Amino acid sequence: EPEVTQTPSHQVTQMGQEVILRCVPISNHLYFYWYRQILGQKVEFLVSFYNNEISEKSEIFDDQFSVERPDGSNFTLKIRSTKLEDSAMYFCASSPSSGGQETQYFGPGTRLLVL
Amino acid sequence: AQSVSQHNHHVILSEAASLELGCNYSYGGTVNLFWYVQYPGQHLQLLLKYFSGDPLVKGIKGFEAEFIKSKFSFNLRKPSVQWSDTAEYFCAVRLNNAGNMLTFGGGTRLMVKP
Repeated sequence: EPEVTQTPSHQVTQMGQEVILRCVPISNHLYFYWYRQILGQKVEFLVSFYNNEISEKSEIFDDQFSVERPDGSNFTLKIRSTKLEDSAMYFCASSPSSGGQETQYFGPGTRLLVL
Repeated sequence: AQSVSQHNHHVILSEAASLELGCNYSYGGTVNLFWYVQYPGQHLQLLLKYFSGDPLVKGIKGFEAEFIKSKFSFNLRKPSVQWSDTAEYFCAVRLNNAGNMLTFGGGTRLMVKP
């Protein structure tokens, strides 16, 4: 069964550094998402992406964050200047299309630690 | 803003016990409802979902959930749990006709003792 994959599984970075988290969505899916889960807190929506542009974003997704689909397979989340509070598990997800009865399929996550 | 509550943060059961995990949401409009499971070291997987029709939804691995609109609830049930059901369970809500964003509950960590 096709799966969403994410790399790296773990990333440690210094505060102020840029990080890029990578995701390979399921190949025939058209909608892509990033969520995050800070330790001990709920899974929170960050952004959704369709047709090479952001379709929805939450208040968390400020100017420090950006997303990109640089080629036909990868979907990336960039954090420009990391802060301590960006430490979290970041989940990528994809769905075949929008709404309706579509399920979002999640990747295994990247655990980001900002020191 | 909508919110999703899972009142049980930790549940410990013995094998063969029955399971019911609560999920309530706060939104008056039409919603789509999901239960995801995360086994240790694995990614979130869909257990079941409700979009419309029969409010009793059957999912994988013997799980089911009942949508009670008047109670804004979507509780997850399984008549007889197994050790392999040890995992964290997340309820999620999507507002119909309002984008694709999922709002998650805080999760319930289930431990099944052999």
